Amino acid sequence: DTGVSQNPRHKITKRGQNVTFRCDPISEHNRLYWYRQTLGQGPEFLTYFQNEAQLEKSRLLSDRFSAERPKGSFSTLEIQRTEQGDSAMYLCASSLARLGSNTEAFFGQGTRLTVV
Amino acid sequence: QKEVEQDPGPLSVPEGAIVSLNCTYSNSAFQYFMWYRQYSRKGPELLMYTYSSGNKEDGRFTAQVDKSSKYISLFIRDSQPSDSATYLCAPGGGFQKLVFGTGTRLLVSP
Repeated sequence: DTGVSQNPRHKITKRGQNVTFRCDPISEHNRLYWYRQTLGQGPEFLTYFQNEAQLEKSRLLSDRFSAERPKGSFSTLEIQRTEQGDSAMYLCASSLARLGSNTEAFFGQGTRLTVV
Repeated sequence: QKEVEQDPGPLSVPEGAIVSLNCTYSNSAFQYFMWYRQYSRKGPELLMYTYSSGNKEDGRFTAQVDKSSKYISLFIRDSQPSDSATYLCAPGGGFQKLVFGTGTRLLVSP
C-alpha cells in the first residue's frame, strides 16, 4: 500500500498521559499536514511541513502539542498531558509541492484518540 | 461567522435521485473550491475541485461555483447507495491549509 499510513489507528489513554502518533506520507511527497477532526465537524488544520521545516501552526496547536518531521519523511505528533477535549480523530495528509504548483493532499485513515 | 458554512444533514434520498449539496464561504480571496468525500471511519478523499468560478463535470458529479454570492454546490446525478458518505466542501487558496465545512451526511437508500 503506497498511501498515507498512520499509526496507531486507535489510542485510548488516561487524562494527563502523553501520546505520540506517527504518519508516513506517500513516498516523495515533500509536504505533510496534520488535521484534527471531532465528531460532526470537518477536519481542522493544525500544522504543516515542507520537507523537515514546519512552515505554519494553527492557534489550535497549544503548547501541549508538538509535531516533528526530523528527516523530511515520517512525522510524529505528540500531545502532552492529554485532556478529554483532545479526544478526536487526528488526520495526516501529504502532497507534492513544486515551484508554482501543489498537488492534491492525500489523507491517511487517521488515528482516533480517546482520552478517559 | 464561520469561514465555511455547510448544512450537516443528514440528507436522505432514494436511489436514483439528484442530490444537491451546498456551502457558503466568507473569504473572497478563495480561488480553489474542493469537494471531499469521507466514508465512515476513513480519511477524506478528494472528489473534485474547481478553480475560480464556473462549472465542472466528472461523470455523475457536477461542481458549481458562484463567487459573486460565495456559494458552492455539488450535484450528484443518479445517486447510488455507494454514494452514502459525508461530503465536505473546502474552499481555499490551494491544497495547503484546507478550510473544511462541517460536512453534509448523505444517505442514499436502495
